[in-house]
Amino acid sequence: QVQLQESGPRLVKPSETLSLTCTVSGGSFTSSTFYWGWTRQPPGKGLEWIATIRNSGTTYYNPSLKSRVTISIDTSKDQFSLKLSSVTAADTAVYYCAREFSGRHIHHMDVWGKGTTVTVSS
Amino acid sequence: QSVLTQPPSASGTPGQRVTISCSGSSSNIGSDAVSWYQQLPGTAPKLLIHSNDQRPSGVPDRFSGSKSGTSASLAISGLQSEDDADYYCAAWDDSLNGHFVFGSGTKVTVL
Repeated sequence: QVQLQESGPRLVKPSETLSLTCTVSGGSFTSSTFYWGWTRQPPGKGLEWIATIRNSGTTYYNPSLKSRVTISIDTSKDQFSLKLSSVTAADTAVYYCAREFSGRHIHHMDVWGKGTTVTVSS
Repeated sequence: QSVLTQPPSASGTPGQRVTISCSGSSSNIGSDAVSWYQQLPGTAPKLLIHSNDQRPSGVPDRFSGSKSGTSASLAISGLQSEDDADYYCAAWDDSLNGHFVFGSGTKVTVL
């Protein structure tokens, strides 16, 4: 059974870079059927997709965040990571990593991590 | 502002049927399958429906999904107290090199 676990600093100062890692256990990390991504949820608000990466390294970014986001993958460690630069209080949110099933005209997130709360504050 | 539009709230009494709509465009719902997620308070989202109308293993058949053109809907029949949650639709959007989009979310209250 696949499980995902987010890790990283819970508190980040304004203007600095937020860095999170998602560790995948239970298999499927090298399967080409699955992509890997990040989604966030500000307090009291809805879900916002951030970025997705394929095992090949191909990346997809939220157009509104693209200039500040980098997603990367390390298949040797079964991990993928997120970096969000120049953070402000508006980036305070619960950050979730998820496995994404990808097929012909079919995309959905079928396994989610429990989420980690990141607060941007001095 | 979300690309996919959902009503902010819906409600019903136990046993009733509730329907949630999700409106998009030709670049997302019109060209890709819709998925639905249930989020209970303080927990991570859970995949409820994928590929427009498919339920993952373990999801009760009270939940059903459908799609027509650039709109989709989620129906909950035989509403139960544990269905009190937030629900989000989502789809891949083919514009701007491709990106995933979520709906604005609908809070379902079981009265």
